[in-house]
Amino acid sequence: AQSVTQLDSHVSVSEGTPVLLRCNYSSSYSPSLFWYVQHPNKGLQLLLKYTSAATLVKGINGFEAEFKKSETSFHLTKPSAHMSDAAEYFCVVSDPSGGYQKVTFGTGTKLQVIP
Amino acid sequence: ETGVTQTPRHLVMGMTNKKSLKCEQHLGHNAMYWYKQSAKKPLELMFVYNFKEQTENNSVPSRFSPECPNSSHLFLHLHTLQPEDSALYLCASSQPPQGEGEQYFGPGTRLTVT
Repeated sequence: AQSVTQLDSHVSVSEGTPVLLRCNYSSSYSPSLFWYVQHPNKGLQLLLKYTSAATLVKGINGFEAEFKKSETSFHLTKPSAHMSDAAEYFCVVSDPSGGYQKVTFGTGTKLQVIP
Repeated sequence: ETGVTQTPRHLVMGMTNKKSLKCEQHLGHNAMYWYKQSAKKPLELMFVYNFKEQTENNSVPSRFSPECPNSSHLFLHLHTLQPEDSALYLCASSQPPQGEGEQYFGPGTRLTVT
């Protein structure tokens, strides 16, 4: 079985300060991990993905995430928040061992950026 | 904007109505998905189609009936819904195998059942 836990339901940062959105996962296999972003009234958009290559993954809009197997974490970071980053972020774990129905979404973290 | 379109974007229907949601992907993918997104609940996978064949029905009530006539189109037929079915319904597509590839989402249909 696999699971994903987003440790904060809401995060608030000031514009220009760093962003940290935390995600822990559990998987019996070597998982693939993703971060998606959802702006209001929009679908989910892929930010970045980890699929057993480099542990530090760079994504769009200046976001990056580091896969830490020992800590079973895949936290999302950005050095400097922008107002347009205000959205909901989802961490996703996927079992690449085959079969469908192996994708598990986290409950989401809403990021608020204060001007 | 992402290659996956959904219509309508908003739908209000009574509990006795019958309506359908449509999803179309222009990405050449062979897997398509329906998700339900309710407030304060995790995203719920409803159905998975792979090469037009349904490979997963995640214990969804029969008042939701999917249809996948080809790899580019996916429908969700709705009848005798309940107010608790009000939610954002998202369609996604991917290139199998699912576990190795990201999913591309449409903008969703906001459904309100009155």
